[in-house]
Amino acid sequence: AQKVTQAQTEISVVEKEDVTLDCVYETRDTTYYLFWYKQPPSGELVFLIRRNSFDEQNEISGRYSWNFQKSTSSFNFTITASQVVDSAVYFCALSEASGQNFVFGPGTRLSVLP
Amino acid sequence: NAGVTQTPKFQVLKTGQSMTLQCAQDMNHNSMYWYRQDPGMGLRLIYYSASEGTTDKGEVPNGYNVSRLNKREFSLRLESAAPSQTSVYFCASRAGGPHSGNTIYFGEGSWLTVV
Repeated sequence: AQKVTQAQTEISVVEKEDVTLDCVYETRDTTYYLFWYKQPPSGELVFLIRRNSFDEQNEISGRYSWNFQKSTSSFNFTITASQVVDSAVYFCALSEASGQNFVFGPGTRLSVLP
Repeated sequence: NAGVTQTPKFQVLKTGQSMTLQCAQDMNHNSMYWYRQDPGMGLRLIYYSASEGTTDKGEVPNGYNVSRLNKREFSLRLESAAPSQTSVYFCASRAGGPHSGNTIYFGEGSWLTVV
């Protein structure tokens, strides 16, 4: 069965600090897809990134970067020079190629203090 | 570009009342989903529809029914609301079939309180 774990329930940082959100997943499939979503205080779910299991290249998008390591089943998300607008709940999700479901982790609440 | 639209955004129900949450997407997506979000539990799948005319149960289907009216619309019905169904409900859609690995896009959520 597929499972996503986000061990950090809440994180608080001061603006301009770097912060890493951890995501560990479990799957039996060799083909699968990993995602990160952001849920700001307004409540909507915003797609951030999608990564397939065959692509272990790390990705950087502005202040955001993602580290995918199949050897440790992790897909961690780093925000560099955090800003108050980064305050949100962040969800990691897994979709297996053989299944119909998206499975979400419980989320990590990030608070960036001015 | 509306994306995924849900109505209503807020609703208060009395125990035992029924209601339907409406969802429509304008992205020509095949798959549609209903999730509920509860504190500390992330999002849990209630029902999904891989294509028009088909629906399947997710992780927490009890107490709910769904209808995939056409390709655009996927409604969620609570026949007899219970306080345990107080939650935030998200509709979502996805291009291609459920095995495609494509990104899932969410509506803005519907806040439901059952008293």
